[in-house]
Amino acid sequence: DTEVTQTPKHLVMGMTNKKSLKCEQHMGHRAMYWYKQKAKKPPELMFVYSYEKLSINESVPSRFSPECPNSSLLNLHLHALQPEDSALYLCASSQVSYLGGNTEAFFGQGTRLTVV
Amino acid sequence: ELKVEQNPLFLSMQEGKNYTIYCNYSTTSDRLYWYRQDPGKSLESLFVLLSNGAVKQEGRLMASLDTKARLSTLHITAAVHDLSATYFCAVDRYTGTASKLTFGTGTRLQVTL
Repeated sequence: DTEVTQTPKHLVMGMTNKKSLKCEQHMGHRAMYWYKQKAKKPPELMFVYSYEKLSINESVPSRFSPECPNSSLLNLHLHALQPEDSALYLCASSQVSYLGGNTEAFFGQGTRLTVV
Repeated sequence: ELKVEQNPLFLSMQEGKNYTIYCNYSTTSDRLYWYRQDPGKSLESLFVLLSNGAVKQEGRLMASLDTKARLSTLHITAAVHDLSATYFCAVDRYTGTASKLTFGTGTRLQVTL
């Protein structure tokens, strides 16, 4: 099983709503990532979890709140978003190499988020 | 700060022709990846290049890595319409706690009949 599963596939939310994006993998990977991709742009790293601990936060606004409840799950909680936050949100996972660094990242299908 | 640049940004080519996409990066890296993305879809991993001089081929695509020049290339041989997509290179750097993938600007490839 080399799948990273994201739900929902599409989400429309108002600026006062609270919603969550979910990501799940069963490959035994201990590193999980959130990326944001605007139209016609490359993906940009938001957060990295390594062994369920937040390792990297790329200065993401606090209206985005990540959570890693266990080694298979990664959530992204959304609150008070702005229309400019509309984008494709991609989750990825990889193995942590004992040599340092991580192995190849596998990406989920993404959640297309629209903020109205 | 790591910068990853690709050129060209857009490439229109006829079926049967050959072309090369270039990926330059500004600092040393641990790995380099090539991904394909179809419109509205996620990223599909094409190649992982681990060391200087690495060359990998899959079908009509061949990727190479020159770590001294900080340059990777993706060569397309005898293009077919199915190869139309956006191609990203991505540089992987280990920070001591986690790996960070920094993506290039992307090359949108359009293969015409």
